[in-house]
Amino acid sequence: QKEVEQNSGPLSVPEGAIASLNCTYSDRGSQSFFWYRQYSGKSPELIMSIYSNGDKEDGRFTAQLNKASQYVSLLIRDSQPSDSATYLCAVNIDRGLGDMRFGAGTRLTVKP
Amino acid sequence: DAGVTQSPTHLIKTRGQQVTLRCSPKSGHDTVSWYQQALGQGPQFIFQYYEEEERQRGNFPDRFSGHQFPNYSSELNVNALLLGDSALYLCASRDRGRSGYTFGSGTRLTVV
Repeated sequence: QKEVEQNSGPLSVPEGAIASLNCTYSDRGSQSFFWYRQYSGKSPELIMSIYSNGDKEDGRFTAQLNKASQYVSLLIRDSQPSDSATYLCAVNIDRGLGDMRFGAGTRLTVKP
Repeated sequence: DAGVTQSPTHLIKTRGQQVTLRCSPKSGHDTVSWYQQALGQGPQFIFQYYEEEERQRGNFPDRFSGHQFPNYSSELNVNALLLGDSALYLCASRDRGRSGYTFGSGTRLTVV
């Protein structure tokens, strides 16, 4: 079992729709959870972090965390063509120490 | 405010050679981690440096080694290069008190 799993996609949504990206993780000791966006040929860019169960909203982005189910998701409302990228889920076991483990990423395409 | 800077941006090496990649962390960041990202995959953790010591290491052979200097900059060394070492090498830094990493633009290493 992989430590962090994501659907590789591609996920295609029309402009203005809600894009839903999902991620599961295997280590119950995981404390911190992140979503990174990576445009083709570029480095990952942090867009959301979440540490507690529930929802966290930032603009058009909402991260959702359910530690009991070992599940974290990212919702993108009013999707724009500029949101087309690969979204990487990352999990950190210890908030202050330790490394992040990444999923393979989900490629999102937003069609005009 | 400069972010994380990496050099060189691209590099071509011959199998069996050695390579050194360099990273300067974002101002105010004291923790540096290195990741390897193969095409179509998520970043894989190589190791993390803090206070000039290797703190954690991922599942990479001893051919991969590193160093952190007093000014928090870091080097990644890879000996006896294999064709499979061809990848994007990402340096990421963070403040010890926070969890989210900032990534550099990466070094694209091609081994021929």
